[in-house]
This record gives sequence, structure tokens and C-alpha cells, in this order.
Amino acid sequence: RKEVEQDPGPFNVPEGATVAFNCTYSNSASQSFFWYRQDCRKEPKLLMSVYSSGNEDGRFTAQLNRASQYISLLIRDSKLSDSATYLCVVNMDSGYALNFGKGTSLLVTP
Amino acid sequence: GAGVSQSPRYKVAKRGQDVALRCDPISGHVSLFWYQQALGQGPEFLTYFQNEAQLDKSGLPSDRFFAERPEGSVSTLKIQRTQQEDSAVYLCASSLGGVTEAFFGQGTRLTVV
Repeated sequence: RKEVEQDPGPFNVPEGATVAFNCTYSNSASQSFFWYRQDCRKEPKLLMSVYSSGNEDGRFTAQLNRASQYISLLIRDSKLSDSATYLCVVNMDSGYALNFGKGTSLLVTP
Repeated sequence: GAGVSQSPRYKVAKRGQDVALRCDPISGHVSLFWYQQALGQGPEFLTYFQNEAQLDKSGLPSDRFFAERPEGSVSTLKIQRTQQEDSAVYLCASSLGGVTEAFFGQGTRLTVV
């Protein structure tokens, strides 16, 4: 079983829509959580860290539920430029690896 | 620019050939990671360096894969006797330390024919 599992994609949504991605992780000792964004044939880039209390960055909101080992990313008022693959990333403080999910593809259409 | 630089960007190797992939991290970054990304998949962890010390190599798929960072800066990932299943994008990332934000290079796309 893969350590980080994400919603299967692709998600096709119209501009202005709200879309949510989910992610589950298997290791309860995991300590750090992130969402990365990867454009086609480009390198992953950090979108936002995920904090226990939940956090917001403009149109993006991340939530963490440690009891359910579940992370979410909400994108409001989707823009064409949000089209990308969103990678859920989990790390245990005792290890160095950033463990990536397979990614969820988002396509925002006019 | 001052980002993570990888070379070559593209490499075609004949099966059985040895290859060496280079990573030049952001200056001053202590941590360096190598990842392998197959088509349609997320990056898979290969190995981690803290300065010149290789602290975790649990993700290296076989003893054909070897990584080094002798002076704590530039790193090289070497793959011996390449196989078709080694075809992937190899990503290097660096960070100030531990699991603070990791900055990725553009990757080396390896195709083994």
C-alpha cells in the first residue's frame, strides 16, 4: 500500500468553481505535510505547508485531520492558471524523505 | 539564476550503458534529495544528503544506483548498466535543512533504449 494516497483525477472544472482534493497517509507518525504543484513537464513547487489548525493562502485552504490521517486542499474561484497536478506530500520527522502522492490533475476550463 | 541546476536535461542511453546525472543545489543549502519520477506518477524518494553525508539511501532501487556529494555541494547520481525500467525523470531538490521547503531542479529525463 502506498504511504500517501490521493483522489484519482483528472478534475475538470469551469472557471470560478470551487474544487477540493483529498489525501490520506498511512503512517500515523507523520509530522510534516505539504501541497506541491507541478505543471506539465516542470518541476514540483511548494504551494503551501499544512498546519494542524488549518491554514489559508488567498484562494487556497489546507486542512489536516490527524485522527483520520487525512489532508485536504480547497481551491476557490478557480483560474485557468490553476490547471496543474497537485501533489500531497508527507514526511516523518524521524526520516528525511518527503513522500509524494501520485498527484491529482486539475484542468480549469473557460 | 540561483535555483537548483541539473544536467544534462535530457539523456538517451543504450541499455547496459552507465550514466551520470549532475545536480548543483542552491548555494548554502545543507540538504539535498534525489527523486525518480515515472510518467504519470509522483516523485519517488531515492536518497538524501546532509552536507557530504548520505544519511538515507533507502529509496535506491538496486545496487546499480549510486549517489555522492563529496564536498557537500554538487551531487552526482550514477546508474550503472542501465535498464529500460530506469527510464524516468530524475529530480534533485535542495533545502536549508531537514524538511523545510525543498526547491527542485528541472530534472534530467533519462530514456534507456
